[in-house]
Amino acid sequence: AQTVTQSQPEMSVQEAETVTLSCTYDTSENNYYLFWYKQPPSRQMILVIRQEAYKQQNATENRFSVNFQKAAKSFSLKISDSQLGDTAMYFCAFMKRNSGNTPLVFGKGTRLSVIA
Amino acid sequence: GAGVSQSPSNKVTEKGKDVELRCDPISGHTALYWYRQSLGQGLEFLIYFQGNSAPDKSGLPSDRFSAERTGGSVSTLTIQRTQQEDSAVYLCASSLTTGLDEQYFGPGTRLTVT
Repeated sequence: AQTVTQSQPEMSVQEAETVTLSCTYDTSENNYYLFWYKQPPSRQMILVIRQEAYKQQNATENRFSVNFQKAAKSFSLKISDSQLGDTAMYFCAFMKRNSGNTPLVFGKGTRLSVIA
Repeated sequence: GAGVSQSPSNKVTEKGKDVELRCDPISGHTALYWYRQSLGQGLEFLIYFQGNSAPDKSGLPSDRFSAERTGGSVSTLTIQRTQQEDSAVYLCASSLTTGLDEQYFGPGTRLTVT
């Protein structure tokens, strides 16, 4: 079974600064995907960024980037130029690559507060 | 286009009553997932549908929980004889079936059992 661990229950960052959220995972699979989801107070889960395990290049989406270390099973999220709208719960998630769809395995989340 | 919708948005029920939670996936999405998010916890997988069939029911916490999907579209999650520990946000997601398919989430139903 796969597990995802987010060791930082809460974090805060000043507006315009950079923050890094940690995520580690455990799996015996070699072919999988990793995701970061954002959940604002509205409860709507929004995909922030995704990484395919077979790709060595770290994924980037505007102000969001990841540091994917496959051997270490680490998948951290860096948010640059933090904005007030980034305040939310952030969940790291794992999905085994399969011929069909497989469910996401989530960490317990990190609550990020961006301070003006 | 329309996203995943769920109803009701909030539901308060008395212990022992049955509840039904509804999910309308994005049109054309054949895969549908139910997750549960308890207070302070991550999302816990409950059940997954491919079309109308549920290949993976391993996450259902007890036999009080059941789900169905008809016409490859709308899904209903039913909880019988609700208990206080069932209080949580129930999230539904849908995705296409091929390749790397992003799961699109609905806004969830907050269930409170009193």
